[in-house]
Amino acid sequence: EAQVTQNPRYLITVTGKKLTVTCSQNMNHEYMSWYRQDPGLGLRQIYYSMNVEVTDKGDVPEGYKVSRKEKRNFPLILESPSPNQTSLYFCASSPTGGYYGYTFGSGTRLTVV
Amino acid sequence: ILNVEQSPQSLHVQEGDSTNFTCSFPSSNFYALHWYRWETAKSPEALFVMTLNGDEKKKGRISATLNTKEGYSYLYIKGSQPEDSATYLCAFYAGKSTFGDGTTLTVKP
Repeated sequence: EAQVTQNPRYLITVTGKKLTVTCSQNMNHEYMSWYRQDPGLGLRQIYYSMNVEVTDKGDVPEGYKVSRKEKRNFPLILESPSPNQTSLYFCASSPTGGYYGYTFGSGTRLTVV
Repeated sequence: ILNVEQSPQSLHVQEGDSTNFTCSFPSSNFYALHWYRWETAKSPEALFVMTLNGDEKKKGRISATLNTKEGYSYLYIKGSQPEDSATYLCAFYAGKSTFGDGTTLTVKP
């Protein structure tokens, strides 16, 4: 089944404790992206990757890191999480860019206390 | 920052009612407009990819139209069913995607 797999689904952590949210897609998509969803603010792009070893900032990149060492994986790293990063996170992939729309992962609900 | 607006913000209808909602986007530099259906506790799922002015797409009881010259798209649901209850998102693509806040539809049996 073609899918984007995100883990974990739920995570509660403390301020400052580094964490990684994993994202993997099995569709050989070149483009991958991370979004956060906050009430009243819609989906906002954090980082995106056009292909392996090519990443770029989205609209809200502060406090996040990403890497794209393999085509299928695009982890999101929070080096020192803070409470304002409490949010619902989605990983998404697309064949090329976002012209044809995205396939989304199942989401990660992160709470930073 | 591109402005993509969806209206209404929420909608409550009775089973069997037909309904429609609007996505407004910039009328310049248009590449594509996407509609997604987002059920509670799930991830957004693509409904339509619309690229040409005048496009009309249909999937079962759901259809969408596109007017790129005036910058709007309508999503129609004919004979709403409780399983249609979801948030419907549109995204304007012009090299990158900008999402609207969604219209949340609740269909009462």
